[in-house]
Amino acid sequence: AQSVSQHNHHVILSEAASLELGCNYSYGGTVNLFWYVQYPGQHLQLLLKYFSGDPLVKGIKGFEAEFIKSKFSFNLRKPSVQWSDTAEYFCAVKDTDKLIFGTGTRLQVFP
Amino acid sequence: DAEITQSPRHKITETGRQVTLACHQTWNHNNMFWYRQDLGHGLRLIHYSYGVQDTNKGEVSDGYSVSRSNTEDLPLTLESAASSQTSVYFCASSWGDTQYFGPGTRLTVL
Repeated sequence: AQSVSQHNHHVILSEAASLELGCNYSYGGTVNLFWYVQYPGQHLQLLLKYFSGDPLVKGIKGFEAEFIKSKFSFNLRKPSVQWSDTAEYFCAVKDTDKLIFGTGTRLQVFP
Repeated sequence: DAEITQSPRHKITETGRQVTLACHQTWNHNNMFWYRQDLGHGLRLIHYSYGVQDTNKGEVSDGYSVSRSNTEDLPLTLESAASSQTSVYFCASSWGDTQYFGPGTRLTVL
């Protein structure tokens, strides 16, 4: 079965800093990959998803992610973070009709 | 607007009691899921359903059950609540490849 690793458990940044959160999945073949965000006290929302085609995927709120098949990676990036990006970020891979989530990365952005 | 709701949003119960968490979606999605969220573990799948009368065990199904009598609802039952089941529970439904999550239920078992 698929598994997902998120190696950054807690990231602290100042506003305007660049962000990259790592995500690796366990094995290749056709993969569907997702990034979800959970703002404090809220439910999970979809940031972006990759199914096929252009490996650079753009999502909401200025986020993007790059699928690198050779590295089994799907890292999330944002060039300049804002205080409102403070949240927990989850990478997920689709396994049949189920989602397998990583353990999440807590991002704190300070003004 | 179509949505997915969970109730209650917060619950405190005692060890050994039976607890049922409700999940209701108005999108008419066939696929529905229950997850628990715990620090250091992310979201783990408890049970899921692909349609009426269909239920399947997920990664952490011990001590939990679900039933699917209609498309809109997938209640999650803790048969005999244990302190290890203190967690935040999320319900989700999916259309195609995207899952949509409810607001969550924070359950405390004392």
